Amino acid sequence: EAGVTQFPSHSVIEKGQTVTLRCDPISGHDNLYWYRRVMGKEIKFLLHFVKESKQDESGMPNNRFLAERTGGTYSTLKVQPAELEDSGVYFCASSPVRGFETQYFGPGTRLLVL
Amino acid sequence: GEDVEQSLFLSVREGDSSVINCTYTDSSSTYLYWYKQEPGAGLQLLTYIFSNMDMKQDQRLTVLLNKKDKHLSLRIADTQTGDSAIYFCALGGHGQNFVFGPGTRLSVLP
Repeated sequence: EAGVTQFPSHSVIEKGQTVTLRCDPISGHDNLYWYRRVMGKEIKFLLHFVKESKQDESGMPNNRFLAERTGGTYSTLKVQPAELEDSGVYFCASSPVRGFETQYFGPGTRLLVL
Repeated sequence: GEDVEQSLFLSVREGDSSVINCTYTDSSSTYLYWYKQEPGAGLQLLTYIFSNMDMKQDQRLTVLLNKKDKHLSLRIADTQTGDSAIYFCALGGHGQNFVFGPGTRLSVLP
């Protein structure tokens, strides 16, 4: 069974540009989460999808961040325009609606905004 | 909101035991987890404990939970160089977003 995958693994962009991160959850997992770790600090929750619906987006820092999960499969997280403080590692995780009570994490996308 | 604390660094000698500690403020989480992040890699689930358990052992790993003191620990027996990584404790439950600690960087010295 394939794990959670994320693309790209690394992204270097200039301040003011747009970046789109993609997450493919484990097949059949309805729950999809985005987290980020900025500047070596805590891993912080961003938002949670159940299928295509946003269950909780209380962690989204501002309106420069837009997450979508069309069709309830993969998800994208777009940052527009990117700022220096957006640099960090963005993790995606998924979990089934029923079953083992944990979240399976992807390898993360390392974003550097210059 | 939930506040989760960890020591940032820990150094041990190869073959010794490592104990990584985590304290938290909100005891409503159903599960408590330990994740490992190796350099350049994602988060790997090491082990977890249900909130009504005191201890869980899994090969070289022992998790202890003291609910009264809101203290979680991870003991790694016979620590090896391959155990060098950042260890995150996390609190959560089914369908809940996880709250992570800042991570403890474990360095294993030869």
